[in-house]
Amino acid sequence: AQKVTQAQTEISVVEKEDVTLDCVYETRDTTYYLFWYKQPPSGELVFLIRRNSFDEQNEISGRYSWNFQKSTSSFNFTITASQVVDSAVYFCACMEYGNKLVFGAGTILRVKS
Amino acid sequence: DSGVTQTPKHLITATGQRVTLRCSPRSGDLSVYWYQQSLDQGLQFLIQYYNGEERAKGNILERFSAQQFPDLHSELNLSSLELGDSALYFCASSVEQGGLNEQYFGPGTRLTVT
Repeated sequence: AQKVTQAQTEISVVEKEDVTLDCVYETRDTTYYLFWYKQPPSGELVFLIRRNSFDEQNEISGRYSWNFQKSTSSFNFTITASQVVDSAVYFCACMEYGNKLVFGAGTILRVKS
Repeated sequence: DSGVTQTPKHLITATGQRVTLRCSPRSGDLSVYWYQQSLDQGLQFLIQYYNGEERAKGNILERFSAQQFPDLHSELNLSSLELGDSALYFCASSVEQGGLNEQYFGPGTRLTVT
């Protein structure tokens, strides 16, 4: 069965610091998707990125970057030069055949000014 | 805006009552998923419907049921409510054309049971 582990329950940083959120996943499928979602205080789930299991290229989008390593079953998320607006709960999730999403417990990120 | 709508946004009710949460998927999406986010269990999958039929079940209690109507909107029915059912309930939809499909989430319905 799938499992997603986000070992960091809460991280606090000062604005402009870089921060990395860790995600480790378990799946028996060879084809799967990995996701990151952001949940701001307003409560909605905001899609950030999807990664196909066959594509291990790292991705950068503005201040966000993702590092996918199949060898360690990790899909880590880095925010460069963090801002107060980045404060939210971040969820890593895995989707395998059947399209059910399995979420990690989430990491609370607090960015202080 | 994901294109998925959920009503109501907030719901406050008493223990023992029954409520219905409604979800309208994105235009063209045939599949609807329900997720529950609670402090105890985190975000977990409840149930999936595809084109009117139940496709997959997760950790859904017997007191909960769902259906998807011919116009593809879905309703999640929660009965004999308990304090522990207080949670944020999300609906998501996807095209479901084979393979893996991205899910688009609605804004959620926050249920408070008093």
